Amino acid sequence: IQLTQSPSSLSASVGDRVTITCRASQGISSYLAWYQQKPGKAPKLLIYAASTLQSGVPSRFSGSGSGTDFTLTISSLQPEDFATYYCQQLNSYPITFGPGTKVDIK
Amino acid sequence: EVQLVESGGGLVQPGGSLRLSCAASGFTFSSYWMSWVRQAPGKGLEWVANIKQDGSEKYYVDSVKGRFTISRDNAKNSLYLQMNSLRAEDTAVYYCASSRRYYGMDVWGQGTTVTVSS
Repeated sequence: IQLTQSPSSLSASVGDRVTITCRASQGISSYLAWYQQKPGKAPKLLIYAASTLQSGVPSRFSGSGSGTDFTLTISSLQPEDFATYYCQQLNSYPITFGPGTKVDIK
Repeated sequence: EVQLVESGGGLVQPGGSLRLSCAASGFTFSSYWMSWVRQAPGKGLEWVANIKQDGSEKYYVDSVKGRFTISRDNAKNSLYLQMNSLRAEDTAVYYCASSRRYYGMDVWGQGTTVTVSS
């Protein structure tokens, strides 16, 4: 199952609302996760089951979607949110990641 | 503290072998699927392999099938990745992660670097 993400990169300001889209090449129910990765660091799980916030993750992060179309939304971008975001499908093997969306400072 | 610590990375020649280890602490290791995920320099994340809690099921990305073997020792709270017939394209940071099969990888190690070069 191929995952595409859009945009591949974006520039935004602190306080902006940011939306990242992930599209699967076939239906994956709600078995989608979102990760944040900062340079030189391991990925961090943000959202699982498409819309469930991982414990300890700020509520400004939210996820939605099912089937083939999913979104990650950051309601008010904070300085610590500048990073690369990946979606991942866990519906079937091989598990796959999207190519990533880099969020940087405008 | 919940923690995963990888070790065993290094420089190896093409065709060589390497065994990665991942030591778990702070959680019930035997209750979790475990995963290896890699990231080539400047590239995105690539899932490599998964193993079920009791080791009875193992899955691999096509590019490593027949060359890599994932295993675990629940008595030692440890995960392993035996990598044989290494290729330049296996060069990457390798992460181990605890996995809740359908619900994402919630704990990650810091990564260990594998470089395949002559």
